[in-house]
Amino acid sequence: NAGVMQNPRHLVRRRGQEARLRCSPMKGHSHVYWYRQLPEEGLKFMVYLQKENIIDESGMPKERFSAEFPKEGPSILRIQQVVRGDSAAYFCASSPSQGEAETQYFGPGTRLLVL
Amino acid sequence: DQQVKQNSPSLSVQEGRISILNCDYTNSMFDYFLWYKKYPAEGPTFLISISSIKDKNEDGRFTVFLNKSAKHLSLHIVPSQPGDSAVYFCAALRAAGNKLTFGGGTRVLVKP
Repeated sequence: NAGVMQNPRHLVRRRGQEARLRCSPMKGHSHVYWYRQLPEEGLKFMVYLQKENIIDESGMPKERFSAEFPKEGPSILRIQQVVRGDSAAYFCASSPSQGEAETQYFGPGTRLLVL
Repeated sequence: DQQVKQNSPSLSVQEGRISILNCDYTNSMFDYFLWYKKYPAEGPTFLISISSIKDKNEDGRFTVFLNKSAKHLSLHIVPSQPGDSAVYFCAALRAAGNKLTFGGGTRVLVKP
C-alpha cells in the first residue's frame, strides 16, 4: 500500500526557469493539499484540490504559481520563472475525502533549490 | 501573522526523562489540534490530536493537553527515547476546515 509519492525528491533550477513538482496521492484518495516549508520555518498551506477542481488557493502566491489535479495522473505544482526565494521544501498531502485533518498523509517532499 | 507559535526552537532531554513541548495559538476559531513528528528528508507524520471539547488525549507514551482559555497546548513524551529525536510541529484546524496551520517546530534531541 504505497503512500503519497512525490517526484522529483530534489530539483535544482536556475533563476527564470520553470519548476514542476508532482504528487501522486495514496490509492483511493481524491483530495490533495500542497504545503511549503521555508528554511527553519513551519509548513505553510498553499492550495487544496480535488480531482479537476481547485477548492482553496488562499495560500498560493498571486503570480508565477499554479496547481492542478487532473482527472488522470498526478497533481502538479508549477512555478514559473523561479527566483531564489522559491527555494524550499514542498510537501504534498492527500486525504480520502473532506474530513478530519489527521487523514492528511504527507509525502516525503520535493526540495527545490534555485541557483 | 503567526497564528500558531512554538516558542522553543529546540529541546534536549535525557533518555528516560519527560519531554514537554509547548504550543500557543491566537485564533479562537481553531477547534482541532494536532502534533506531527518529522525526520530529516521525510514528510511530517501524524502523532496525536485533540479536539477542543477535550482537555487531554493520551496514546501510549504521548499525551496532549489543551488549555482553551489560555490558548495553549502541550505534548508530553514519557519516557523519552533516542528514536524520538526529531522536529515536532504543532498544527491547528478550524471547524469544517481542511488547511492545517503549523507552528515553527521544536527540534528535540534525546540523549542516550
